[in-house]
Amino acid sequence: GAVVSQHPSWVICKSGTSVKIECRSLDFQATTMFWYRQFPKQSLMLMATSNEGSKATYEQGVEKDKFLINHASLTLSTLTVTSAHPEDSSFYICSTGGGTEAFFGQGTRLTVV
Amino acid sequence: AQSVAQPEDQVNVAEGNPLTVKCTYSVSGNPYLFWYVQYPNRGLQFLLKYITGDNLVKGSYGFEAEFNKSQTSFHLKKPSALVSDSALYFCAVRDITGYALNFGKGTSLLVTP
Repeated sequence: GAVVSQHPSWVICKSGTSVKIECRSLDFQATTMFWYRQFPKQSLMLMATSNEGSKATYEQGVEKDKFLINHASLTLSTLTVTSAHPEDSSFYICSTGGGTEAFFGQGTRLTVV
Repeated sequence: AQSVAQPEDQVNVAEGNPLTVKCTYSVSGNPYLFWYVQYPNRGLQFLLKYITGDNLVKGSYGFEAEFNKSQTSFHLKKPSALVSDSALYFCAVRDITGYALNFGKGTSLLVTP
């Protein structure tokens, strides 16, 4: 199956700083990628859909100015958490779209202190 | 909207015994159903999917799932559980608007020696 690499796997940052998470498709071209957020012991919630060469589509309630998504190439989508606060601490996961099967990155554990 | 429900927060099974993790779905049209497994601080690993065809779907690591249209269920099963199967299991359905997935809340499976 497709390989999706997500980096970093964990990050600790100070409140008020920004953090960038990268999601790369290693063996295929991804025109669409999805970003999910998972709180402890909860399910994954779709945050946004990343579209190559165009603006991302955000789910209701997700602040697009806080969670900046860039999909500049067919192999890289990035999520930047701007001015992070402790409530942004969570597990973020990207996945591919298309076809009949989604492939997920390893996830990024973000802790804001 | 396409949705799935996992009625159990946790399932406990003794090693060697059969296991079942329950999932019911609510969709318009034909469902695209998936099972994923998640180990701590890791991304999701694909287990199996139902798109069309045989109601009994065989997947990775000895898991299988039965699609039951009359009961709108897609339960995950394994004939003989292993301690290493202990993880968090998610049922998911493909969203009608695209290729994102809508997840159930997850079921924690604990297999004891």
